[in-house]
Amino acid sequence: KNEVEQSPQNLTAQEGEFITINCSYSVGISALHWLQQHPGGGIVSLFMLSSGKKKHGRLIATINIQEKHSSLHITASHPRDSAVYICAATPGTYKYIFGTGTRLKVLA
Amino acid sequence: EPEVTQTPSHQVTQMGQEVILRCVPISNHLYFYWYRQILGQKVEFLVSFYNNEISEKSEIFDDQFSVERPDGSNFTLKIRSTKLEDSAMYFCASSDVGGETQYFGPGTRLLVL
Repeated sequence: KNEVEQSPQNLTAQEGEFITINCSYSVGISALHWLQQHPGGGIVSLFMLSSGKKKHGRLIATINIQEKHSSLHITASHPRDSAVYICAATPGTYKYIFGTGTRLKVLA
Repeated sequence: EPEVTQTPSHQVTQMGQEVILRCVPISNHLYFYWYRQILGQKVEFLVSFYNNEISEKSEIFDDQFSVERPDGSNFTLKIRSTKLEDSAMYFCASSDVGGETQYFGPGTRLLVL
C-alpha cells in the first residue's frame, strides 16, 4: 500500500473550471508538500503545509491533520495550469515520500 | 533567483559502466538529496546528506550507489556498475533547513543500454 495516495490520477477540465486534487497519507508527518511537475520533468514546490490553509494566486492548499488528508484547489483554471500535481509527505525525517501524481489537462 | 543545477541533462551508458551525476545545490543550503523517477512511475527517495555524511538512505540506495560532496559546491551521485533498471530521471534537491521546502534541479535522464 502506498503511504501517500492521490486522486484522481487523471483530470481533464475546461478553462475556467474549479479543480480539486486530493491527497491522503497513512504515515505521521511533520509537513505535507504540493509540487508541480512539467512535461519536461522539472519539479517546482508549490506549498508546504503543516496545518490549515495556504493560498498563492489561484492556488489554494488545505490540510486536515486528524483525517490525514490534503487538497489542492485551482480556481479559474487555465491551459497553462496543465501539469502533473504531486503531493509529498515529510514523515519526521527530511525525505519526501511522493504520491503518484495527478495529471491535469486544462482545455481552452 | 538561485537554483539547483544538474549535469549532464542526458546520459547514455552501457550496462556495467560507472556513471557520475553532478549537482550544484543552492549556495547557502545545507541539506542535499537525490531522488529518482523511473519513466511512468512516482518519484522515489534515494538518499539525504548533511554535514558531509549520509543522514538517511532508502532500500534502493545499495552498495552500487555513493554520494560525495567533493568541494564546497558540487554534490555527486555515483553508480558503480549500472544496470538496465537504473534507467530513470535522477533529481537532486537541496534545502536550507532539514524538513523545509526542497528545491529541485532539472534532472539528469540516465539511459542504461
